[in-house]
Amino acid sequence: AQSVTQLGSHVSVSEGALVLLRCNYSSSVPPYLFWYVQYPNQGLQLLLKYTSAATLVKGINGFEAEFKKSETSFHLTKPSAHMSDAAEYFCAVSAADDYKLSFGAGTTVTVRA
Amino acid sequence: GAGVSQTPSNKVTEKGKYVELRCDPISGHTALYWYRQSLGQGPEFLIYFQGTGAADDSGLPNDRFFAVRPEGSVSTLKIQRTERGDSAVYLCASSLNPTGIGIGLGTEAFFGQGTRLTVV
Repeated sequence: AQSVTQLGSHVSVSEGALVLLRCNYSSSVPPYLFWYVQYPNQGLQLLLKYTSAATLVKGINGFEAEFKKSETSFHLTKPSAHMSDAAEYFCAVSAADDYKLSFGAGTTVTVRA
Repeated sequence: GAGVSQTPSNKVTEKGKYVELRCDPISGHTALYWYRQSLGQGPEFLIYFQGTGAADDSGLPNDRFFAVRPEGSVSTLKIQRTERGDSAVYLCASSLNPTGIGIGLGTEAFFGQGTRLTVV
């Protein structure tokens, strides 16, 4: 079975500051890992995914995440926050050949001017 | 259509009533998924369709919940005798390639905006 834990339900950052969202996973098989973003009144949008290729994954809007097997982590970062990054972010995991996603509880990001 | 469309966007119903939630997937997508997102939680898997058949309904919480996809396109999630605990956002997603959610081109799942169900 696969599961993820997102540390921190709310994160507040200043515009231009580093964004760091933490995700730890548990998986009995090699995992595929994902970060989704949900803007207000919109559906979930895929930011990036790890599928056993490069451990550092670059996504849309300047986000990236690093897969660290030794730490069972897949933290999401962005060097410089923008006001438009205010949203809810979900980490998710699946088994390599599975269609089911297991999501974390989400982290809401607010960006201060 | 351009994306996954879900209707209605909001639904308020009385306890004990029957509701139907509709999902229009992206044209040509054979795989369709329903998830439920309760307040303060991430989405939880309900059911997966491959074409017209429900390939996996293991996430449906009980027999009050049922979903159909008769022509392999539009899907309807049906909830009988609604309870206050059914209040949540119901998300639908579709993907072109159903064999593995992330392994290659066409496997990305595209989500709709969801239907917010409130049972009073």
